Amino acid sequence: AQSVAQPEDQVKVAEGNPLTVKCTYSVSGNPYLFWYVQYPNRGLQFLLKYITGDNLVKGSYGFEAEFNKSQTSFHLKKPSALVSDSALYFCAVRDRRSYIPTFGRGTSLIVHP
Amino acid sequence: DTGVSQDPRHKITKRGQNVTFRCDPISEHNRLYWYRQTLGQGPEFLTYFQNEAQLEKSRLLSDRFSAERPKGSFSTLEIQRTEQGDSAMYLCASSQGGQNYEQYFGPGTRLTVT
Repeated sequence: AQSVAQPEDQVKVAEGNPLTVKCTYSVSGNPYLFWYVQYPNRGLQFLLKYITGDNLVKGSYGFEAEFNKSQTSFHLKKPSALVSDSALYFCAVRDRRSYIPTFGRGTSLIVHP
Repeated sequence: DTGVSQDPRHKITKRGQNVTFRCDPISEHNRLYWYRQTLGQGPEFLTYFQNEAQLEKSRLLSDRFSAERPKGSFSTLEIQRTEQGDSAMYLCASSQGGQNYEQYFGPGTRLTVT
């Protein structure tokens, strides 16, 4: 069985500061890992993914994530947060033998001016 | 806009009624997924299609739930004899074939059962 944990329900940072949204996962074998963002009254939008290769993945809107196999983590990061980054962020994992992803519960990111 | 669309965006129904939701995926995507999302939770997988074939349906929440994708294009999700516990956001997503493709989500249909 595969699972995802997003240990923080909410993350608050000041605009201009770096941000980290945490994600750990459990899956058989090597994972596919994804981050999605959900703005109010909007569908989930794809941010970035780890498939293979370089452990540091760069995505949309200046976000990046680092795959750490030993810690089974895939934390989302951004060097300098914007107020407009405030949204709900979901981490997802998928077993490479399956097309069915498992999503975390989501982390609400609040960036204050 | 050529993204995933869902109709209706909101549905209010009385307990015991049947409801049907429609999803139109991105045209070149052959995989289509349905999810349920409740407050404070991430999307919960329900079922998915590759073209017109429903490849996984064991996670549909009960036999009151069914989905179709008759011509491999749009899909419908039907809930029969709705219950108050069915109140949730129902999300549709599509992706290209292959293992490593991300999913593109529609805006969702919010169902309220009174």
